[in-house]
Parts: sequence; C-alpha cells; structure tokens
Amino acid sequence: NAGVMQNPRHLVRRRGQEARLRCSPMKGHSHVYWYRQLPEEGLKFMVYLQKENIIDESGMPKERFSAEFPKEGPSILRIQQVVRGDSAAYFCASSPLPGRTSSYEQYFGPGTRLTVT
Amino acid sequence: DQQVKQNSPSLSVQEGRISILNCDYTNSMFDYFLWYKKYPAEGPTFLISISSIKDKNEDGRFTVFLNKSAKHLSLHIVPSQPGDSAVYFCAANDSFGNEKLTFGTGTRLTIIP
Repeated sequence: NAGVMQNPRHLVRRRGQEARLRCSPMKGHSHVYWYRQLPEEGLKFMVYLQKENIIDESGMPKERFSAEFPKEGPSILRIQQVVRGDSAAYFCASSPLPGRTSSYEQYFGPGTRLTVT
Repeated sequence: DQQVKQNSPSLSVQEGRISILNCDYTNSMFDYFLWYKKYPAEGPTFLISISSIKDKNEDGRFTVFLNKSAKHLSLHIVPSQPGDSAVYFCAANDSFGNEKLTFGTGTRLTIIP
C-alpha cells in the first residue's frame, strides 16, 4: 500500500522560473492538502483540494501560487516567477473522507525541497 | 499569530526515562489535536491524536493528555528510546469542518543513550 508520493524530491529553480510540484495521494484518499515549511518553522497550511475542487485556499499567497487536483492524475502545486523567499519544503498530505466520529489523520508525503537561486 | 505554540525548541532525555513534550493553543474552537514525528528530509509521521471530548489517549509507549481549561496538551513517551530522537510537532483542527491543520513550531527531542 503505497503512501503519499511527491516528486520531485528536490527542485532547483532560478528566480523568475516556474516550479511545478506533484503529489499523488494514498490509494483511496480523495482529499489533498499542501503545506509549506520554512527553515526552523512549523508547517503552514496552504490549500485543501478534493478532485476538481478547491475547498480552502486561505493559506495560499494571493499571487503566483496555484493548485489543482484534476479528475485524473496527481495534484499539482504551481509557483510562477519564483523568488528566493519561495525556498522551502513543500509537503503534501492526503486523507480519506473526513468524519467527525472517526480518527482524523492526514498522511504526509516526503516533501519537495525547493531551492531558488 | 501563532495559535499553536511549542515553547521548548529542544529537549534532551536519557534513554529509558520519560520524555514530556508540551503544547499550548489559543484558539478555543480547536477540538482535535494530533502529534506528528518528523525525521530530517522526511515528511511528518502521524503518532497519536486526541479529541476534545477526552482528556487522555494512550497507544503503546505514547500517551497524550489534554487540559481544555488550560488549553494545554502534552505527549508522554515512556520509556524513551534512541529511535525517538526526532522533531515532534503538535497540530490542531477546529470544529467547523475546516480540515486544515494548524501546526506548532516543533520540539527537537534527543534521546541520550
């Protein structure tokens, strides 16, 4: 039973380029979350998606960042015109349909470490 | 505004002893709390959780205690083992169906052999 998969694991981009980060949720999971971890900080929520829907994007920067989770294929976090401040570890998590009566865990992938030079 | 706080950035504990990691929160709407463990260059791994209707949850060597009136929770690991050395994150979720987790800044636990 494969876990959450993310690729690439490491990504180096020059300022102004685009970064595309991919996430395949665990089998049977239909909910995907993206978090960002800056050095020496905790994880910060960015966006929550279900298939073909953005449910909560309250943590996404207003510009340059976008996310999608198409009907087929992985979820994509896209950062346009990257700047040095975008350098961070980006983690994807997935969960089954959330239920208030069941234990509720998000399962995380290994992360993509983005370095902007 | 840091709604989940882990005030100890690091903690060292002798192998075999009890490790106690603490977490405070400010948002009274949080009703579900989780602990994650993270090794370098890996994603967080779920450890244990607790709902606000409970004050204790136990799973093997791990026990989480919740004090709602103090808005405080703690993770106890006993006995501590060298493989427990990692960064531990406390996370919380609120009761309005907002599925996002709010994380603390983490505590680096080092188990001394």
